[in-house]
Amino acid sequence: DIVMTQSPDSLAVSLGERATINCKSSQSVLKSSNSKNYLAWYQQKVGQPPKLLIFWASTRESGVPDRFSGSGSGTDFTLTISSLQAEDVAVYYCQQYYTTSYTFGQGTKLEIK
Amino acid sequence: EVQLVQSGADVKKPGESLKISCKGSGYKFSIYWIGWVRQMPGKAPEWMGIIYPADSDTRYSPSFQGQVTISADKSINTAYLQWSSLKASDTAMYYCARSMTTAPETYDYWGQGTLVTVSS
Repeated sequence: DIVMTQSPDSLAVSLGERATINCKSSQSVLKSSNSKNYLAWYQQKVGQPPKLLIFWASTRESGVPDRFSGSGSGTDFTLTISSLQAEDVAVYYCQQYYTTSYTFGQGTKLEIK
Repeated sequence: EVQLVQSGADVKKPGESLKISCKGSGYKFSIYWIGWVRQMPGKAPEWMGIIYPADSDTRYSPSFQGQVTISADKSINTAYLQWSSLKASDTAMYYCARSMTTAPETYDYWGQGTLVTVSS
């Protein structure tokens, strides 16, 4: 299985400031045949199912605010929230869908400082 | 509006069987893969497997192969996850989710979750 490792485990950021979450995969999730990175980001608020934010490493899902952006390629990826809002308090997960078992990172808990 | 509505929470004893459901509406259910995801308390989600309701083509994570059975009835727009003999370690929240056609194995719509508690 591909192991996904996120950093940090938790993060406290002031309202309006930038939040950055990192995700590293144990092997590349870039498929050479289509030049796509098989990496998604999800947001999970307390008591709710995960919500898809980003797929193909940098494509924002419909309806997701543009303060959320994804970047990276190969084995190193980043989710950036450009200006933190109160409603962004959640746990964030990266997920690789390059190969079974489509593993998730351990999660990063984002809080307000 | 796309919706996935799951069956309610259940409490079972070790060794008992269980089948939970996920009913889709607001889209053509049969032509979207439905995945099942386990989330143990305080842990990250884990992908269990996926089914294509149109022909019941099913794939399992190696970690869950033989431990659960995924099925679907396209006539009633419902997918299922079942256990024949539950263990305490099966205690978790289980989600169904619809796989995107544009990015397979990413999930754009999720059920509300079914909490399964296995305790003697």
